[in-house]
Amino acid sequence: ETGVTQTPRHLVMGMTNKKSLKCEQHLGHNAMYWYKQSAKKPLELMFVYNFKEQTENNSVPSRFSPECPNSSHLFLHLHTLQPEDSALYLCASSRRQGAGGYTFGSGTRLTVV
Amino acid sequence: AQTVTQSQPEMSVQEAETVTLSCTYDTSESDYYLFWYKQPPSRQMILVIRQEAYKQQNATENRFSVNFQKAAKSFSLKISDSQLGDAAMYFCALENSGGGADGLTFGKGTHLIIQP
Repeated sequence: ETGVTQTPRHLVMGMTNKKSLKCEQHLGHNAMYWYKQSAKKPLELMFVYNFKEQTENNSVPSRFSPECPNSSHLFLHLHTLQPEDSALYLCASSRRQGAGGYTFGSGTRLTVV
Repeated sequence: AQTVTQSQPEMSVQEAETVTLSCTYDTSESDYYLFWYKQPPSRQMILVIRQEAYKQQNATENRFSVNFQKAAKSFSLKISDSQLGDAAMYFCALENSGGGADGLTFGKGTHLIIQP
C-alpha cells in the first residue's frame, strides 16, 4: 500500500449509468491527478488539482467530471460513458505540481458495457 | 509538448543477468525530472528510480541504475542480477519542474520478462 487508495477496484457500468471513482491520500500532498491507462497506449493525464484548484483539463470529454473537495480526496464522476472509455483509471498525488515524483494508487478497472 | 519514447515493447533476460531498457525524451525545458516506474500485474505504479536533470551523476538504487545522457536526451535503466520479482511493465516518465499541462508524461512501456 503506497498511501494512495482507490475505490472501487473494479467497476462494470452500462452506458446510461452514473458512477463515481474515489481516491484518497493521507501523505500530506497538495496535488492530485487522474490518469487513464488504455492497452497499447501511454498513460493519459486527464485532470490536475493543485491545492484543491483544478489547474489542467486536457481536453477530456464532459462525461468525465472531477471533484476535489479537499486536498486528501479526489473523485471522478462518470455518466453516459462509451465502451471506448473502458480502461484502468489511476489516481496519483505529489507534494505539489513539478515537485518531482508522484505516488500512485492501484487503479480502478472500468468496463463500460 | 514533451514526449517520451520507449522503443522496446518487450525484453527478455535470464535470471541473474543484466538487462538495459531504453528511453529517449524531448522537452523544451532545462529543468526537469526523469523517472522509471514499474507496474506489476497488481497494477500499482511503483517508483524505481528518479533523476534530476541538473545532476550529472547517474542515479542508482541497489540493483537499478540509470545512464543519463542529457545532450542526447537519453535515459536508460540498467537492472543488474535480474530477479523473478523484477518481471513487470517498466515505464519511463518525465516531469518539468515547473509543472504545467503535461504533468508526468509517460512512454508506452517495456514489458520485461525474466526467464528462470
